[in-house]
Amino acid sequence: GAVVSQHPSRVICKSGTSVKIECRSLDFQATTMFWYRQFPKQSLMLMATSNEGSKATYEQGVEKDKFLINHASLTLSTLTVTSAHPEDSSFYICSAFSRAGESYEQYFGPGTRLTVT
Amino acid sequence: LAKTTQPISMDSYEGQEVNITCSHNNIATNDYITWYQQFPSQGPRFIIQGYKTKVTNEVASLFIPADRKSSTLSLPRVSLSDTAVYYCLVGDMDSSYKLIFGSGTRLLVRP
Repeated sequence: GAVVSQHPSRVICKSGTSVKIECRSLDFQATTMFWYRQFPKQSLMLMATSNEGSKATYEQGVEKDKFLINHASLTLSTLTVTSAHPEDSSFYICSAFSRAGESYEQYFGPGTRLTVT
Repeated sequence: LAKTTQPISMDSYEGQEVNITCSHNNIATNDYITWYQQFPSQGPRFIIQGYKTKVTNEVASLFIPADRKSSTLSLPRVSLSDTAVYYCLVGDMDSSYKLIFGSGTRLLVRP
């Protein structure tokens, strides 16, 4: 099946710094990617929908100025956590939507563990 | 977006068949039903997808009644490695398949 990668897989940063997470679709083009956040023992929470060549659409309660999303190409979307704080520590997961014929599927990346100290 | 309801947790033993039922009473005409599996600290992995009736692949079966207000994921002969969280989701194909995750079902397979 299709592959989605994330980089880095794990990052530790100091409070107040910014962190960029990359999401790539390796063998297909994705006009739409999604970013999720997951806290321990909880479900995935959709943060935003990233559309290639246009502004991201954020879910209610997600600060767009804090979580900057850029989808500059059909295979790459980036999430930048600006001025990170300990409460931003979480597991961030991206997914890419693929529509091929009658098949519709979201392929998920392996996730990025962010720890803010 | 259709909301889904699943049991929070289930226990089973190796070799048994496990059936996880999900209710989605307000499913829309364009919605497909998809099940994902997630292990700790990993992204969700696609298991199976269907629109109506029955779908079977090499790892699971998906049963969808005519009214589509529920669906049942069937895992034949589970093993310890099937211990994971299973999510049932419904999504509209015409809106780039935006998915909203519910609580999922935490399946524990015992030896």
